[in-house]
Amino acid sequence: QLVQSGVEVQKPGESLKISCTASGYRFSSYWIGWVRQMPGKGLEWMGIIHPSDSDTRYSPSFQGQVTISVDKSISTAYLQWSSLKASDTATYYCARMIGGSPESGYFDYWGQGTLVTASS
Amino acid sequence: QSVLTQPPSVSGAPGQRVTISCTGGGFNIGAGYDVDWYQQLPGTAPKLLIYANNNRPSGVPDRFSGSRSATSASLAITGLQAEDEADYYCQSYDNSLRVVFGGGTKLTVL
Repeated sequence: QLVQSGVEVQKPGESLKISCTASGYRFSSYWIGWVRQMPGKGLEWMGIIHPSDSDTRYSPSFQGQVTISVDKSISTAYLQWSSLKASDTATYYCARMIGGSPESGYFDYWGQGTLVTASS
Repeated sequence: QSVLTQPPSVSGAPGQRVTISCTGGGFNIGAGYDVDWYQQLPGTAPKLLIYANNNRPSGVPDRFSGSRSATSASLAITGLQAEDEADYYCQSYDNSLRVVFGGGTKLTVL
């Protein structure tokens, strides 16, 4: 399963790092992706990372806006912002990708979501 | 504007059959990439419903089925039940945008 860190309320301009901790499978064997869902809106793919070598792919929409990383030693993936904007207010999901590669993969397990609110 | 286009909403009465379309183009579905479908019940994380066009994970009822053609895909739900009321998303891969989701379809059971 994937367990995400809790609700975050931050001010615009602040930095933030949220986490996704995996258990029950070999963490290094599967891609982990991050998906944004803004209030009342659909799913948006942000990026994906392979824990074995930290190979990371970003959606063009999120490249340069966030950083995805992993710590293999504790089976945890991270999503971080250096300077939050009000428009980053959303629920963020991590999900395990199965199928070998982003080109052919799909998300079979999802975290419970982390609600991030950026407001002054 | 999503790369994959879904109808914003569909509806049906209990017991009926509904379909949800997912229309792409030459850089995603038309390029041969598989389509997957997710169900998101209100207030919960998405759940995998169909993978690789027409395969159901263990535990997903056979009332749910998927199909794919040249540049589009469809999710069909037969024997509609109240518990099927949810948002449904298709997902594929795009040569330029990487992993892509459809805009989502809200299913209402009348």
